Amino acid sequence: TQLLEQSPQFLSIQEGENLTVYCNSSSVFSSLQWYRQEPGEGPVLLVTVVTGGEVKKLKRLTFQFGDARKDSSLHITAAQPGDTGLYLCAGEENYGQNFVFGPGTRLSVLP
Amino acid sequence: EAGVTQFPSHSVIEKGQTVTLRCDPISGHDNLYWYRRVMGKEIKFLLHFVKESKQDESGMPNNRFLAERTGGTYSTLKVQPAELEDSGVYFCASSQGSGVQGYTFGSGTRLTVV
Repeated sequence: TQLLEQSPQFLSIQEGENLTVYCNSSSVFSSLQWYRQEPGEGPVLLVTVVTGGEVKKLKRLTFQFGDARKDSSLHITAAQPGDTGLYLCAGEENYGQNFVFGPGTRLSVLP
Repeated sequence: EAGVTQFPSHSVIEKGQTVTLRCDPISGHDNLYWYRRVMGKEIKFLLHFVKESKQDESGMPNNRFLAERTGGTYSTLKVQPAELEDSGVYFCASSQGSGVQGYTFGSGTRLTVV
């Protein structure tokens, strides 16, 4: 089982600021997902990236999958308090296998 | 559509007792997964059902854990006898196709073994 690392572990910013969080591994993934989890709830899927170098945008969120499919980043523009939560990345080692989760980045956006 | 439902939301039991967690996936989702997060650790895979069959149970920690999905609908995860290290949040997720389409997670069952 491969290890997914996420950085930073914690991030506290002011409303309106931009931020980037990272998900890294030494192994190649066939696909990678980003989830956001709020207290008392399960993770909610934000995006799935499959192709190396792929960029996907979801409103103010921009997701990028590394060319080598070993890493990914999530960039949030003009963060809002509603963006507060635990951001998890999950990688699929081989198609059809289960996903391995990273430890998450806990984001706090202060009004 | 109704989401993934898990019951109970919280359970506190004594070491040595038995607990059964239930998951009702989204109707029509053949794939059902159990994951858990123990304190301070990542969410980790336990097992995967396709309909009523166990596709992958490589994440089950030991034989104190038994998962079933009779009829390919809801699933149960029984822990017998429970140990202190079993405490954590147990998540169920379902998907219509493979996981690459994304899982829909339930809210989890927080299990505390005392």
